[in-house]
Amino acid sequence: DAGITQSPRHKVTETGTPVTLRCHQTENHRYMYWYRQDPGHGLRLIHYSYGVKDTDKGEVSDGYSVSRSKTEDFLLTLESATSSQTSVYFCAISELAGGSRTDTQYFGPGTRLTVL
Amino acid sequence: GQNIDQPTEMTATEGAIVQINCTYQTSGFNGLFWYQQHAGEAPTFLSYNVLDGLEEKGRFSSFLSRSKGYSYLLLKELQMKDSASYLCAVRAGETDKLIFGTGTRLQVFP
Repeated sequence: DAGITQSPRHKVTETGTPVTLRCHQTENHRYMYWYRQDPGHGLRLIHYSYGVKDTDKGEVSDGYSVSRSKTEDFLLTLESATSSQTSVYFCAISELAGGSRTDTQYFGPGTRLTVL
Repeated sequence: GQNIDQPTEMTATEGAIVQINCTYQTSGFNGLFWYQQHAGEAPTFLSYNVLDGLEEKGRFSSFLSRSKGYSYLLLKELQMKDSASYLCAVRAGETDKLIFGTGTRLQVFP
């Protein structure tokens, strides 16, 4: 199994508060991703990173920001959490980009976030 | 637009064979993935297809037809532990971004 951890694993917060989720990898993979998973929507990409300090937006990036100051850490920040951001958040990593088996994305255990 | 369709739910009996279909319409195609996700857990990689044809891995096989925008995951000799959601995902274009279907929840009964 790929060495990916997420913290916290569970969090309950109130509307309007800032929240930061952390993804940590020990695989030295270049690419890291943040997804959210909601019933009826499947996994949707929020932001991704293709290297230290290199990030880009995904499909549902509004209300989220990310930072990657080290290869192993990718942070997702909700500047002012809203109830619509209640979800399960998954981090993923991959070694390469492009069409090959070696660039399979591997997922962390997830963070369940509830915004009241 | 980008669209991936798969059935929402399926049921099957232990020891049987089940086929989970996935159809896709994407701008560009650079590989199709199947993931398994047990309730409350992370998705785990099952298979990858980029060329037409069948890829076999133990009890699981995955098929791809690029001209039809179609894939299926075949699970043989079903076991109770195969009860899970199965996610179809397409890599579209040159980046490593994946577009996921909403998943098929499979329930295996004794």
